[in-house]
Amino acid sequence: DAGITQSPRYKITETGRQVTLMCHQTWSHSYMFWYRQDLGHGLRLIYYSAAADITDKGEVPDGYVVSRSKTENFPLTLESATRSQTSVYFCASRNRGPNSPLHFGNGTRLTVT
Amino acid sequence: AQKVTQAQTEISVVEKEDVTLDCVYETRDTTYYLFWYKQPPSGELVFLIRRNSFDEQNEISGRYSWNFQKSTSSFNFTITASQVVDSAVYFCALSPIIQGAQKLVFGQGTRLTINP
Repeated sequence: DAGITQSPRYKITETGRQVTLMCHQTWSHSYMFWYRQDLGHGLRLIYYSAAADITDKGEVPDGYVVSRSKTENFPLTLESATRSQTSVYFCASRNRGPNSPLHFGNGTRLTVT
Repeated sequence: AQKVTQAQTEISVVEKEDVTLDCVYETRDTTYYLFWYKQPPSGELVFLIRRNSFDEQNEISGRYSWNFQKSTSSFNFTITASQVVDSAVYFCALSPIIQGAQKLVFGQGTRLTINP
């Protein structure tokens, strides 16, 4: 089915471990984004990508790494997970053009113990 | 700097009541977009509406209506005759037109509960 999918839906990891959250979209959207959702903060932008091999930092990039070797994939890696990174992570995509709305994946709930 | 404020953290009403969710924004950009997204209990984020700063006409879609007032920097959302299915967290968001959605800034969200 067309759309944007995230995996896994739920993940529990330990402090210090590396974990990668996957995001795949089938619309060939140019832009892709990673947000984290925390109580009291709404959604905050971690990283975004305007096209393959082009990425840029958002509001809260520290502790995260992204890559975009293919247009359809935008994985987010926590190199050494910390408890403060316990959150719900949303991937989103949109087409080129500032009036295009964001389309979100279903989210990944990550717990760091 | 851009900022979106949704002062109402939680709202609870009885079914069939009308309810308004407030959104106030700050931006130095002269042109921008405003959005509302819905996050039902299942967790996904659903796009509801986009408004550009050129157009201050209010919009109505079924039971939903949006009131955009540039003079007060507000973009409020009203649900008429609320239903239990309207229960969700609602986010207001802002982005400049020139730089696009990479600068999309969300409010903290308002949790709306519609009681039967």
